Amino acid sequence: QKEVEQNSGPLSVPEGAIASLNCTYSDRGSQSFFWYRQYSGKSPELIMFIYSNGDKEDGRFTAQLNKASQYVSLLIRDSQPSDSATYLCAVGSGNQFYFGTGTSLTVIP
Amino acid sequence: GAVVSQHPSWVICKSGTSVKIECRSLDFQATTMFWYRQFPKKSLMLMATSNEGSKATYEQGVEKDKFLINHASLTLSTLTVTSAHPEDSSFYICSARGGGRALYEQYFGPGTRLTVT
Repeated sequence: QKEVEQNSGPLSVPEGAIASLNCTYSDRGSQSFFWYRQYSGKSPELIMFIYSNGDKEDGRFTAQLNKASQYVSLLIRDSQPSDSATYLCAVGSGNQFYFGTGTSLTVIP
Repeated sequence: GAVVSQHPSWVICKSGTSVKIECRSLDFQATTMFWYRQFPKKSLMLMATSNEGSKATYEQGVEKDKFLINHASLTLSTLTVTSAHPEDSSFYICSARGGGRALYEQYFGPGTRLTVT
């Protein structure tokens, strides 16, 4: 069973702080890594993807991948109340996708 | 990103009837489509994976005769919930992956909220 694990939270950060979301995966052969944001009652929205070791930045978001440690993280700088949502980590291996159960983030004004 | 639509966005039906949900990729060809369901405050549950022109692969515990999936073209997949019962009430979400800019990423439709009375 290929697993993707996330801390379910809830994670609370004050507005303007950095939110750090973490994800580990079990399949060393995984090739693609994604972060989705899901607001309550809505479907997931892709916000970042990363394929290579290291950091990838897009605006306030930075994805970090460490394949040796089987670890992928998402940093949200200058967190805003509108960032409050559940963040899903997904790992791709071949034609398969495996989702974590999500981390609930609350940004406190 | 790539755009995926779903129709209807919500539906209420009576127990015993069948409901069809459509999933379309609007600006790319989706070689693979996925169907999920999600209960309130729960995680996504993959129901099945379908590749264009072939039979869907269902996850363990998902009844293929109850949840009929058709992926007849590169832009359309349908999920039919047959003989729906109240326990089938859920949020059904499709996603698609294909060539070009959607080669590796999976893009989700907005979801369909099904209520069976």
